[in-house]
Amino acid sequence: NAGVTQTPKFQVLKTGQSMTLQCAQDMNHNSMYWYRQDPGMGLRLIYYSASEGTTDKGEVPNGYNVSRLNKREFSLRLESAAPSQTSVYFCASSEAGGLAGGPFAEQYFGPGTRLTVT
Amino acid sequence: QKEVEQNSGPLSVPEGAIASLNCTYSDRVSQSFFWYRQYSGKSPELIMSIYSNGDKEDGRFTAQLNKASQYVSLLIRDSQPSDSATYLCAVRGDKLIFGTGTRLQVFP
Repeated sequence: NAGVTQTPKFQVLKTGQSMTLQCAQDMNHNSMYWYRQDPGMGLRLIYYSASEGTTDKGEVPNGYNVSRLNKREFSLRLESAAPSQTSVYFCASSEAGGLAGGPFAEQYFGPGTRLTVT
Repeated sequence: QKEVEQNSGPLSVPEGAIASLNCTYSDRVSQSFFWYRQYSGKSPELIMSIYSNGDKEDGRFTAQLNKASQYVSLLIRDSQPSDSATYLCAVRGDKLIFGTGTRLQVFP
């Protein structure tokens, strides 16, 4: 099992460019998440998908869009990149059901994408 | 007031000692609590989950939860240099809220 995979690992964009970050999981998890991590700010939730076919905003959704393509894949799109979006982006997934499951249960993270916007 | 608070550290302990990492949270209805370990340049890795008051042990790790005091801690026994990392506390209410982490340094 590869767990959670993300592409690309690194990306440099110019202001105004667009890009899509890809995420896939092979653990048959129902819920998937996108976070950004900035120094001193911790992990902040951008968007999440509690189950296939649903997406919801997190704490910092402005400037981003998401697509839950199927149960395995959840992509994050930056339509017009800004320097403030320079960050490390993590995708995560979790099982559903029970106290230990459901949205925001034990989450497993991908390796991350380091994005720089100049 | 931050929803999940951790001392940023660094917390420095000698090899073989017990490292004690603390976390407080503000949402009284929180039900699930997690500790993640994050090595520099890597992604967070889940190491402990705790759902009820008391202690939960897993190898050298012990998680402690006190819901009345809104406090969760992680003890690492027999600390090793390989334990040097940032430890993130995460609290689940309607979403999962992460603290900013405590950096642990274990020196030989």
